[in-house]
This record gives sequence, structure tokens and C-alpha cells, in this order.
Amino acid sequence: EDKVVQSPLSLVVHEGDTVTLNCSYEVTNFRSLLWYKQEKKAPTFLFMLTSSGIEKKSGRLSSILDKKELSSILNITATQTGDSAIYLCAVCLGSNYQLIWGAGTKLIIKP
Amino acid sequence: NAGVTQTPKFRVLKTGQSMTLLCAQDMNHEYMYWYRQDPGMGLRLIHYSVGEGTTAKGEVPDGYNVSRLKKQNFLLGLESAAPSQTSVYFCASSLDGSGRDTFGSGTRLTVV
Repeated sequence: EDKVVQSPLSLVVHEGDTVTLNCSYEVTNFRSLLWYKQEKKAPTFLFMLTSSGIEKKSGRLSSILDKKELSSILNITATQTGDSAIYLCAVCLGSNYQLIWGAGTKLIIKP
Repeated sequence: NAGVTQTPKFRVLKTGQSMTLLCAQDMNHEYMYWYRQDPGMGLRLIHYSVGEGTTAKGEVPDGYNVSRLKKQNFLLGLESAAPSQTSVYFCASSLDGSGRDTFGSGTRLTVV
């Protein structure tokens, strides 16, 4: 059975800290791994990582894919209160383009 | 540019009632998806469509039906609602099925 596991489930840090969120996967036909941010409503796309693009960066956020370890990390440096959200990891299957989602990491940034 | 629009935003149903959730996108996307999100379980795919006139089952299709008669619309139907269908439902679309999805703002459904 295809599955995606995120850790930790929740995390509380202070503004200015650096955080690392983890995502591991076991799937039969890997195509890509995606990170999304969910605030109050709809998830919004952050990064897509593939075999040909294993590292992405945007401002204070960066992500790395480790295909050997079947995992990915999402780093956020110099955190701000606006970074508080649920961060979702998903794997896109090559067989049918479906996404398999992790349960998410709830990140709370305290002022 | 509205993106993905879901209606209604909230609904309370009695057990056994039926309803239809509407998803509309104005981005000319081929792929459309219906998910449900429950606490601690992430998003689970109900049904999806890879183009006008096509539908396919996802991970948790039982109790739901879908139709995609027009490219821009994807309807999710509950024929006989059950309390287990209490959830937040999200519609999403993408141009090419790559996983870079655009989500609607969700429908919170409560079945009593």
C-alpha cells in the first residue's frame, strides 16, 4: 500500500527559529514529491521535487529530496508568525497521476 | 481570475438526504479532483477526472458519485448521506496532472 508519513505531527517554535519538517514515503511508482502550505482554507503549492530537480529554494523556504532514503525535508529559516500553518507533503504516482498525502505537520510560530 | 470555486461553503444534512457539491474552474485545466480532509488523516482522493466526460475512482469512492459534463465543472454527489461523510471537501484542478494543483476554498459538510 502506498503511504506518505510526515513528522513531527506538530511543532511549536519561537519567531526567528529554524525548523525542519520531514516527509518519508513508500510508493510503487514515484513521479514527484510536493509540498503544500495550508492556512485556514485551501492548500497552496510550495515546491515540486523530481528525480531531475531534487532541491528547491524560495526565500526562507527550501526543500531537498533524498531518493535513496525515500524522504524529503522542508526547511524554514528565520521563521515568522505568518509561517504558522499546516504543511502537507504529497507524492504523485507515475501510474495514474494521483497524489498520496501525508497527514501534515502543524507548525505554530510564537512571537 | 477566480481560479477554483466551490459551492456551497457550508451545509448541514440529515442522514439519508442527498446533495450535490459544485466545483468550477476557469483556468482551462484538464484534471480535476475531489478530496475529503478529516482531522489527522490528511487529504484522501474520492474521485477524479482527466478530461471532459471522464471520471475515475480514487482512494475512498464509496457513497459518492461524480460527473464532468463540461470541462470547467466537476460535480460531487452524495446519494444518501451518512454521518461518516461529515468532513471538509476540497476540489482541485491541474493543467497536466503533475500534482501542482489549485484548490478551492472547501465545503464543510456536517451530516447529523
